[in-house]
Amino acid sequence: GAVVSQHPSRVICKSGTSVKIECRSLDFQATTMFWYRQFPKQSLMLMATSNEGSKATYEQGVEKDKFLINHASLTLSTLTVTSAHPEDSSFYICSPFERGNNEQFFGPGTRLTVL
Amino acid sequence: KQEVTQIPAALSVPEGENLVLNCSFTDSAIYNLQWFRQDPGKGLTSLLLIQSSQREQTSGRLNASLDKSSGRSTLYIAASQPGDSATYLCAVSTGSRLTFGEGTQLTVNP
Repeated sequence: GAVVSQHPSRVICKSGTSVKIECRSLDFQATTMFWYRQFPKQSLMLMATSNEGSKATYEQGVEKDKFLINHASLTLSTLTVTSAHPEDSSFYICSPFERGNNEQFFGPGTRLTVL
Repeated sequence: KQEVTQIPAALSVPEGENLVLNCSFTDSAIYNLQWFRQDPGKGLTSLLLIQSSQREQTSGRLNASLDKSSGRSTLYIAASQPGDSATYLCAVSTGSRLTFGEGTQLTVNP
């Protein structure tokens, strides 16, 4: 399978700070990047979809000014949680997708805890 | 809107037992269906991918079936082992997005 990395794997921050999460596809080109979040005991919920070089499309209920997504290259995308609050504490998972591929792969996730 | 349901939500079995996890979806116009495994605090590991034109896929002790017309898929695990303990997620693709079920939390007891 494809190799996807996320950094950091775990972050604890104070309320009001911003946190940047990086997602890299190491052996394929991510023409599309999906960002998901997962609350405890729940399944993955799609937050936004971005195509390389374009603005992200956000799902209903996800604030685009709060969750900034940058997908400037085919191997790197970042998600920045701005002015994080305790309710943003969650498990964030990226899923880079290469056009023409059938299977979708996922990063190892980033556990965000906002105090 | 696609909705994916997994039954049961949790399952506990003794080691060695064969078991079946169920997944149902409301919109049969799918591109493919994937089964994933998620260990606590970890990301997803892809187990099996079934294209919409396929009926089943096998990998080792795992067998996944797909009945697109009835909106159902099953994941069969043979001779379960304690290492199989994890949450199993079913996800259907409509081409542009994946929709996930809530998962089945499996515990295999030694």
